[in-house]
Amino acid sequence: QLQLQESGPGLVKPSETLSLTCTVSGGSISSSSYYWGWIRQPPGKGLEWIGSIYYSGSTYYNPSLKSRVTISVDTSKNQFSLKLSSVTAADTAVYYCARQGIQLWLSAFDIWGQGTMVTVSS
Amino acid sequence: EIVMTQSPATLSVSPGERATLSCRASQSVSSNLAWYQQKPGQAPRLLIYGASTRATGIPARFSGSGSGTEFTLTISSLQSEDFAVYYCQQYNNWPPATFGQGTKVEIK
Repeated sequence: QLQLQESGPGLVKPSETLSLTCTVSGGSISSSSYYWGWIRQPPGKGLEWIGSIYYSGSTYYNPSLKSRVTISVDTSKNQFSLKLSSVTAADTAVYYCARQGIQLWLSAFDIWGQGTMVTVSS
Repeated sequence: EIVMTQSPATLSVSPGERATLSCRASQSVSSNLAWYQQKPGQAPRLLIYGASTRATGIPARFSGSGSGTEFTLTISSLQSEDFAVYYCQQYNNWPPATFGQGTKVEIK
Protein backbone atom coordinates (compact mmCIF):
# COMPACT_ATOMS: atom_id res chain seq x y z
CA GLN A 1 0.00 0.00 0.00
CA LEU A 2 1.02 3.61 -0.42
CA GLN A 3 3.43 4.94 2.19
CA LEU A 4 5.01 8.32 2.76
CA GLN A 5 8.26 8.90 4.64
CA GLU A 6 9.73 12.23 5.67
CA SER A 7 13.47 12.75 5.92
CA GLY A 8 15.83 15.60 6.69
CA PRO A 9 17.81 17.27 9.46
CA GLY A 10 16.28 17.29 12.90
CA LEU A 11 18.09 20.45 13.96
CA VAL A 12 18.26 23.73 12.06
CA LYS A 13 19.89 26.98 13.16
CA PRO A 14 17.88 30.19 13.37
CA SER A 15 17.84 32.22 10.12
CA GLU A 16 18.79 29.15 8.08
CA THR A 17 16.67 27.11 5.69
CA LEU A 18 14.77 24.02 6.75
CA SER A 19 14.80 21.30 4.06
CA LEU A 20 12.73 18.13 4.15
CA THR A 21 11.94 15.43 1.61
CA CYS A 22 8.96 13.09 1.43
CA THR A 23 9.48 9.80 -0.36
CA VAL A 24 6.40 8.08 -1.75
CA SER A 25 6.48 4.29 -2.00
CA GLY A 26 3.90 1.78 -3.15
CA GLY A 27 2.45 4.17 -5.70
CA SER A 28 3.30 6.92 -8.14
CA ILE A 29 3.60 10.56 -7.25
CA SER A 30 2.66 11.26 -10.87
CA SER A 31 -0.93 10.15 -10.32
CA SER A 32 -3.39 12.64 -11.79
CA SER A 33 -5.72 12.10 -8.82
CA TYR A 34 -3.68 13.61 -6.01
CA TYR A 35 -1.88 16.59 -4.58
CA TRP A 36 0.97 16.08 -2.15
CA GLY A 37 1.05 18.26 0.92
CA TRP A 38 3.03 19.38 3.95
CA ILE A 39 1.44 19.98 7.36
CA ARG A 40 3.18 20.87 10.61
CA GLN A 41 2.38 20.65 14.30
CA PRO A 42 4.30 22.61 16.97
CA PRO A 43 4.80 20.71 20.22
CA GLY A 44 1.52 20.45 22.12
CA LYS A 45 -0.37 22.45 19.51
CA GLY A 46 -2.66 21.93 16.54
CA LEU A 47 -2.15 21.28 12.84
CA GLU A 48 -1.14 23.89 10.27
CA TRP A 49 -1.25 23.30 6.53
CA ILE A 50 1.93 24.59 4.86
CA GLY A 51 1.31 23.88 1.20
CA SER A 52 0.60 21.32 -1.50
CA ILE A 53 1.97 20.42 -4.92
CA TYR A 54 0.69 18.59 -8.00
CA TYR A 55 3.00 16.30 -9.93
CA SER A 56 3.11 18.86 -12.74
CA GLY A 57 4.72 21.32 -10.34
CA SER A 58 1.69 23.50 -9.59
CA THR A 59 1.93 24.73 -6.02
CA TYR A 60 -0.46 26.08 -3.40
CA TYR A 61 0.86 27.74 -0.25
CA ASN A 62 -0.51 28.97 3.04
CA PRO A 63 -0.51 32.77 2.73
CA SER A 64 0.91 33.01 6.25
CA LEU A 65 4.08 31.20 5.14
CA LYS A 66 4.12 31.88 1.42
CA SER A 67 7.04 34.30 1.46
CA ARG A 68 9.32 31.67 3.06
CA VAL A 69 8.07 28.39 1.55
CA THR A 70 9.07 26.49 -1.56
CA ILE A 71 7.64 23.06 -2.38
CA SER A 72 9.03 21.10 -5.30
CA VAL A 73 8.54 17.67 -6.85
CA ASP A 74 10.94 15.15 -8.39
CA THR A 75 8.86 12.60 -10.25
CA SER A 76 11.93 10.56 -11.23
CA LYS A 77 12.63 9.89 -7.57
CA ASN A 78 8.96 9.76 -6.50
CA GLN A 79 9.68 12.52 -3.98
CA PHE A 80 8.52 15.97 -3.09
CA SER A 81 10.34 18.47 -0.93
CA LEU A 82 9.82 21.40 1.42
CA LYS A 83 12.11 24.35 1.95
CA LEU A 84 11.31 26.91 4.65
CA SER A 85 13.68 29.85 4.82
CA SER A 86 14.66 32.24 7.61
CA VAL A 87 13.48 29.88 10.33
CA THR A 88 12.94 30.89 13.94
CA ALA A 89 12.06 28.97 17.09
CA ALA A 90 8.40 29.33 16.08
CA ASP A 91 9.08 26.92 13.21
CA THR A 92 9.96 24.13 15.64
CA ALA A 93 7.41 21.41 14.92
CA VAL A 94 6.69 17.92 13.73
CA TYR A 95 6.47 18.13 9.95
CA TYR A 96 4.18 15.70 8.13
CA CYS A 97 3.79 14.95 4.47
CA ALA A 98 0.42 13.70 3.26
CA ARG A 99 -1.59 12.79 0.18
CA GLN A 100 -4.56 14.98 -0.75
CA GLY A 101 -7.28 14.14 -3.26
CA ILE A 102 -7.57 16.46 -6.26
CA GLN A 103 -11.35 16.32 -6.59
CA LEU A 104 -12.82 18.87 -4.20
CA TRP A 105 -15.07 16.46 -2.33
CA LEU A 106 -12.11 14.08 -1.87
CA SER A 107 -9.57 16.75 -0.98
CA ALA A 108 -8.93 15.62 2.59
CA PHE A 109 -5.51 14.28 3.61
CA ASP A 110 -6.03 10.53 3.47
CA ILE A 111 -2.52 9.10 3.86
CA TRP A 112 0.13 10.62 6.14
CA GLY A 113 3.78 10.06 6.79
CA GLN A 114 4.88 9.32 10.34
CA GLY A 115 6.23 12.83 10.78
CA THR A 116 9.67 14.20 11.53
CA MET A 117 10.56 16.54 14.40
CA VAL A 118 12.51 19.62 13.43
CA THR A 119 13.97 21.84 16.14
CA VAL A 120 15.20 25.34 15.41
CA SER A 121 18.01 26.17 17.81
CA SER A 122 21.54 27.46 17.79
CA GLU B 1 -9.26 32.42 5.56
CA ILE B 2 -11.96 30.18 7.02
CA VAL B 3 -11.62 29.74 10.77
CA MET B 4 -12.63 26.38 12.24
CA THR B 5 -13.72 26.33 15.88
CA GLN B 6 -14.09 23.07 17.78
CA SER B 7 -15.92 22.49 21.03
CA PRO B 8 -15.43 21.47 23.70
CA ALA B 9 -11.67 21.65 24.09
CA THR B 10 -11.77 18.56 26.31
CA LEU B 11 -14.49 15.95 26.59
CA SER B 12 -14.50 13.49 29.49
CA VAL B 13 -16.38 10.31 28.65
CA SER B 14 -16.66 6.86 30.19
CA PRO B 15 -15.93 3.79 28.03
CA GLY B 16 -19.09 2.61 26.32
CA GLU B 17 -20.69 6.04 26.39
CA ARG B 18 -21.49 8.26 23.44
CA ALA B 19 -19.25 11.20 22.54
CA THR B 20 -20.39 14.19 20.50
CA LEU B 21 -17.81 16.64 19.15
CA SER B 22 -18.66 19.91 17.40
CA CYS B 23 -16.95 21.91 14.70
CA ARG B 24 -18.06 25.28 13.38
CA ALA B 25 -16.81 27.09 10.29
CA SER B 26 -16.65 30.89 10.05
CA GLN B 27 -18.38 30.64 6.66
CA SER B 28 -20.00 27.87 4.69
CA VAL B 29 -17.74 24.99 3.64
CA SER B 30 -20.59 23.01 2.09
CA SER B 31 -19.85 19.35 2.94
CA ASN B 32 -16.12 19.64 2.32
CA LEU B 33 -15.09 18.82 5.84
CA ALA B 34 -12.92 16.08 7.29
CA TRP B 35 -12.35 14.67 10.75
CA TYR B 36 -9.04 13.22 11.92
CA GLN B 37 -8.00 11.25 14.99
CA GLN B 38 -4.54 11.71 16.49
CA LYS B 39 -3.02 9.62 19.25
CA PRO B 40 0.13 10.68 21.13
CA GLY B 41 3.26 10.30 19.03
CA GLN B 42 1.30 9.35 15.92
CA ALA B 43 0.30 11.06 12.71
CA PRO B 44 -3.33 12.08 12.29
CA ARG B 45 -5.61 9.45 10.75
CA LEU B 46 -8.45 10.35 8.43
CA LEU B 47 -11.79 9.24 9.90
CA ILE B 48 -14.44 11.10 7.92
CA TYR B 49 -14.47 13.08 4.68
CA GLY B 50 -17.28 14.81 2.86
CA ALA B 51 -18.69 15.55 6.32
CA SER B 52 -20.25 12.10 6.64
CA THR B 53 -18.33 9.45 4.64
CA ARG B 54 -16.17 7.10 6.67
CA ALA B 55 -12.66 6.57 5.35
CA THR B 56 -11.47 3.07 4.52
CA GLY B 57 -11.28 0.81 7.56
CA ILE B 58 -12.97 3.21 9.98
CA PRO B 59 -15.43 1.46 12.35
CA ALA B 60 -19.13 2.19 12.05
CA ARG B 61 -19.23 3.65 15.57
CA PHE B 62 -17.73 6.81 14.06
CA SER B 63 -20.24 8.99 12.23
CA GLY B 64 -20.19 12.53 10.89
CA SER B 65 -23.01 14.91 10.12
CA GLY B 66 -23.68 18.50 9.17
CA SER B 67 -23.17 20.86 6.28
CA GLY B 68 -22.57 24.56 5.77
CA THR B 69 -21.08 25.84 9.00
CA GLU B 70 -22.08 23.31 11.67
CA PHE B 71 -20.66 19.81 11.90
CA THR B 72 -20.69 16.95 14.40
CA LEU B 73 -18.56 13.87 14.94
CA THR B 74 -20.27 11.19 17.00
CA ILE B 75 -18.60 8.15 18.51
CA SER B 76 -21.49 5.91 19.45
CA SER B 77 -19.82 3.76 22.10
CA LEU B 78 -16.34 4.78 23.13
CA GLN B 79 -13.70 2.09 23.09
CA SER B 80 -10.38 2.37 24.91
CA GLU B 81 -8.56 2.99 21.63
CA ASP B 82 -10.78 6.00 20.85
CA PHE B 83 -9.32 8.24 23.53
CA ALA B 84 -7.35 10.71 21.46
CA VAL B 85 -7.43 14.21 20.00
CA TYR B 86 -9.84 14.89 17.14
CA TYR B 87 -9.44 17.62 14.54
CA CYS B 88 -11.82 18.93 11.92
CA GLN B 89 -10.51 20.44 8.68
CA GLN B 90 -12.17 22.31 5.86
CA TYR B 91 -11.06 21.94 2.27
CA ASN B 92 -13.85 23.82 0.55
CA ASN B 93 -11.99 27.11 0.25
CA TRP B 94 -8.29 26.45 -0.03
CA PRO B 95 -5.65 27.68 0.03
CA PRO B 96 -5.39 27.69 2.87
CA ALA B 97 -6.78 24.40 4.13
CA THR B 98 -7.58 25.07 7.78
CA PHE B 99 -7.91 22.89 10.85
CA GLY B 100 -9.78 23.33 14.09
CA GLN B 101 -7.77 23.54 17.29
CA GLY B 102 -8.77 20.01 18.33
CA THR B 103 -10.93 18.28 20.93
CA LYS B 104 -9.28 15.94 23.39
CA VAL B 105 -11.44 12.97 24.35
CA GLU B 106 -10.28 11.68 27.72
CA ILE B 107 -11.35 8.91 30.04
CA LYS B 108 -13.82 10.02 32.70
